[in-house]
Amino acid sequence: ILNVEQSPQSLHVQEGDSTNFTCSFPSSNFYALHWYRWETAKSPEALFVMTLNGDEKKKGRISATLNTKEGYSYLYIKGSQPEDSATYLCASGSNYKLTFGKGTLLTVNP
Amino acid sequence: DAGITQSPRHKVTETGTPVTLRCHQTENHRYMYWYRQDPGHGLRLIHYSYGVKDTDKGEVSDGYSVSRSKTEDFLLTLESATSSQTSVYFCAISRDSYEQYFGPGTRLTVT
Repeated sequence: ILNVEQSPQSLHVQEGDSTNFTCSFPSSNFYALHWYRWETAKSPEALFVMTLNGDEKKKGRISATLNTKEGYSYLYIKGSQPEDSATYLCASGSNYKLTFGKGTLLTVNP
Repeated sequence: DAGITQSPRHKVTETGTPVTLRCHQTENHRYMYWYRQDPGHGLRLIHYSYGVKDTDKGEVSDGYSVSRSKTEDFLLTLESATSSQTSVYFCAISRDSYEQYFGPGTRLTVT
């Protein structure tokens, strides 16, 4: 079982702030790193899947980077909005057997 | 939205009774998964399937069994429900190593 860690556990920011959080995972036998966004009372929704060292992905104001050699990924949100409030999950593992971190709960105050 | 439904969406049952949760997909994806979500633990994989009649255990498989007799359906059975199995259960599907699409979840309470 992989050990996927996320930090911080929770985060409060003001509307307009930019923020970032970290996902760390074992670098040996790396296959893929996934990021999901999970709003309260909804289902997790895929943001990014990254496989290559140095990969950078972007979707609107959200972007992610990947360092497979040292075993970490960063998720960045530029100009946070209240609708960005959610839990952000990362997951790593084999091609279809993922281990999820416990998530970072982001609250954006208007 | 990916075509995934779960039934029932809510269930209350008594300790010792069998329970079956159903996940149904209309996407013809090969892989299907059952997770449970508990406070302090995040999402944990129970069982997964990589094809019809092909299943394997996940991280927390004790007390659960699964079956997949056709591509679109993946059943999770609690043979004899216990209070520790009170949880929210999510089904997910994926084409292969790409992102997983999650169903709406089933809230199960075992009294």
